[in-house]
Amino acid sequence: GESVGLHLPTLSVQEGDNSIINCAYSNSASDYFIWYKQESGKGPQFIIDIRSNMDKRQGQRVTVLLNKTVKHLSLQIAATQPGDSAVYFCAENIGGFQKLVFGTGTRLLVSP
Amino acid sequence: KAGVTQTPRYLIKTRGQQVTLSCSPISGHRSVSWYQQTPGQGLQFLFEYFSETQRNKGNFPGRFSGRQFSNSRSEMNVSTLELGDSALYLCASSLVPGRDVEQYFGPGTRLTVT
Repeated sequence: GESVGLHLPTLSVQEGDNSIINCAYSNSASDYFIWYKQESGKGPQFIIDIRSNMDKRQGQRVTVLLNKTVKHLSLQIAATQPGDSAVYFCAENIGGFQKLVFGTGTRLLVSP
Repeated sequence: KAGVTQTPRYLIKTRGQQVTLSCSPISGHRSVSWYQQTPGQGLQFLFEYFSETQRNKGNFPGRFSGRQFSNSRSEMNVSTLELGDSALYLCASSLVPGRDVEQYFGPGTRLTVT
């Protein structure tokens, strides 16, 4: 079943392309950021995180970039595959508790 | 290791009724958080529990409540349901509370209020 809104920004790419998903955050006090992937009918799944003392972090096929000056995060997915099709959310953590503030999400559609 | 379990997966209630949703965290995880996901508002934090204590609460009316048991299982309750409470309710667990501790989400409970 659907789990997100109908009017999400959508990024359509071809299989094998590199994808870049962007996110702006609002609170300059945020010091921990996470990217989640949510497939239809499932809960968000952790992809990668980054702390505010870093500008870049790499995982398997994914890279997160953090620009604190303009309060911007991006998620780069290399060699995008059809299985990457999902909604991607950035989330920020504020205040030392576990509360996450989520962005609105971007739908990634990957065509074979 | 089994993931976060939420029951029931789907629920239909009538306006004015109350509902209780259940969350079983990953074995060994002691911290549980709840989120509401709607098309209009996206994912919003409801509450966070650790050691049977609510550590943090989101900006929701008092009709939304929760608790955590000694085995770390958690329940949330919504009383006097409104149409706008229709949403996917997600539970997330982590080993301990903390801002940089990975949270694992369950599949959610889809609540429809008619």
